[in-house]
Order: sequence, then C-alpha cells, then structure tokens
Amino acid sequence: AQSVTQLGSHVSVSEGALVLLRCNYSSSVPPYLFWYVQYPNQGLQLLLKYTSAATLVKGINGFEAEFKKSETSFHLTKPSAHMSDAAEYFCAVSMNTGGFKTIFGAGTRLFVKA
Amino acid sequence: NAGVTQTPKFQVLKTGQSMTLQCAQDMNHNSMYWYRQDPGMGLRLIYYSASEGTTDKGEVPNGYNVSRLNKREFSLRLESAAPSQTSVYFCASMSLGGTLEQYFGPGTRLTVT
Repeated sequence: AQSVTQLGSHVSVSEGALVLLRCNYSSSVPPYLFWYVQYPNQGLQLLLKYTSAATLVKGINGFEAEFKKSETSFHLTKPSAHMSDAAEYFCAVSMNTGGFKTIFGAGTRLFVKA
Repeated sequence: NAGVTQTPKFQVLKTGQSMTLQCAQDMNHNSMYWYRQDPGMGLRLIYYSASEGTTDKGEVPNGYNVSRLNKREFSLRLESAAPSQTSVYFCASMSLGGTLEQYFGPGTRLTVT
C-alpha cells in the first residue's frame, strides 16, 4: 500500500535560513511525487513534482526537492526562507490504479521568524 | 478560465440534515476528486471519478455519495450529516494526459452541529 510520512508537523526557521521539510513515502510501483503548498483559507497549489525524469526537481518560489529511491525520500528544501513562505506544505504520492489516486501526507506548517 | 469552482464556501448543518456540495471545472480534465481536510490529518480522499461515467471509493467514503453529472461537474452528497463530517472539503481535477498535477478548488467549510 502507498503511504506518505512527513516528519514534523511544525517547522520554524528564521528569515534567510535554510528550509528543510522531510517526506518519506512507500509505494509498490514507481511513484509520482509532489509537493503542494496551502496558504491560509485557500486550496492547494503545486510547488513541484517528480515523474521519473531528473531526480533533482526545481519548483516555484525557489523550492527544490530530491528524489532518493534508496532512502524512499523526497525532501523539500529552499536555501533562504522568506516571510512569504509561511504556509502549510503537503507531500503527496500518486499511483495509477485505473485512475490516478493521490495520497497526501499530514502536512508540515512552516513558520518564518523575522 | 475559472479553474475549479466549489459552492457553497461555507455551510452550517444540523445533525441529520442533507446537502450537496457542488464542484465544476472548465479545464476539460478527465479525473475529479473529493477530499476532506482535518487538522493534523492532511487530505483524505473521499471519492474520485477517473472519467465521466465512473466513480470509485477513496479512503473515507462512509456517509457520502457522489455523482459525476458530466465531464465538468462532480457533486458530493451528505445524506444525513453527522458532527464527524465537520471539515473542509476540497474538490480537485486532473488531466490524465498532462502533468498529473491536481488543480484544487477554494474549499467548502462545513460545520455540523
């Protein structure tokens, strides 16, 4: 069965510091992996995705993630946090079961301190 | 291009009442989804429709029904609302031939008292 685990429900960083949000997955087939961001009172929007091409994936707003098959991980990073990055971030894995279903992690809320 | 729209934005129901949440997308996507979001639990799939005319259960289908009215519209019905269904509900759509990105609506905040 597919699953997604996000380590840390809350992460706090200072403005300008490295952002690291952790995600581990399990999947019985090659996965499609995603990071989504949710700002308060909004729906989710895509940050970046891995679909079996390059293992280092770049997304919007300076975020990137690296797919590591041996570690079953897809951690999200950004070299320098901005106040505007404060939001909730969701890691997700998709699989084809006759129609694509997506399993989401529980989410990590990122706080950015001035 | 409105993307994915949901109505209503907010709703308060009494236990036992019924209601239908509406969702429509104008991107010609094949697949549509209903999720619920609860604090600390991420998004959980209630039902999905891989294509027009088909629907399948997700992780938490009990207490819900869905209808894929046409390619654009996918509604979620609560026949007899319970306090445990208090949640934020999101509709999403995806094009199978595209990037597998899901496009989300703005959500419906439902409270059942």
